[in-house]
Amino acid sequence: AIQMTQSPSSLSASVGDRVTITCRASQGIRNDLGWYQQKPGKAPKLLIYAASSLQSGVPSRFSGSGSGTDFTLTISSLQPEDFATYYCLQDYNYPRTFGGGTKVEIK
Amino acid sequence: EVQLVESGGGLVKPGGSLRLSCAASGFTFSSYSMNWVRQAPGKGLEWVSSISSSSSYIYYADSVKGRFTISRDNAKNSLYLQMNSLRAEDTAVYYCAREVVAGTEDVSWFDPWGQGTLVTVSS
Repeated sequence: AIQMTQSPSSLSASVGDRVTITCRASQGIRNDLGWYQQKPGKAPKLLIYAASSLQSGVPSRFSGSGSGTDFTLTISSLQPEDFATYYCLQDYNYPRTFGGGTKVEIK
Repeated sequence: EVQLVESGGGLVKPGGSLRLSCAASGFTFSSYSMNWVRQAPGKGLEWVSSISSSSSYIYYADSVKGRFTISRDNAKNSLYLQMNSLRAEDTAVYYCAREVVAGTEDVSWFDPWGQGTLVTVSS
């Protein structure tokens, strides 16, 4: 199974900060990666698909990049509603595998 | 509105069985692969199983293979997860999620997700 290593596992940031989260795959997965946001007690929500495509309705401050083994989710200017946990998910093959998650907390 | 609603969760003893359901609405259910994803209390997301639109292709995580069975009824717009030989480590919120595939690019993503149903395995 492909291992998805996500870092950091948590971070503290202030409103307006630029935040970067990374995901590394144990083997190349082309651009077959999505990013999801989850708030406490809620279902995950799709932010980015195909590594860099913004899902409809998602604010443009979210962006994704990368291909092969290294991927990045960037929030250009953190907003109060962005405090949540973020997960990457590879859809290159089965079993599908998630990163361990990154909890973004208020500094 | 595209919507997924899970049901069937509850408290079950170790070794017991439970059947989860996911009711789909607002889209052509028979055109999409579907997935189950779970989340143990305080933990991350874990993919559990996937079924293609016509049930031709089925995949499972190693952790549930041989114990869980995914199925669907396209006439009823419903997805199911039959869970047997349940263990304490199966305790989790179980989400169903639609898998959207981008035509020629062979990339896919999960959207939307249901609200989840809690399964607790305890004596």
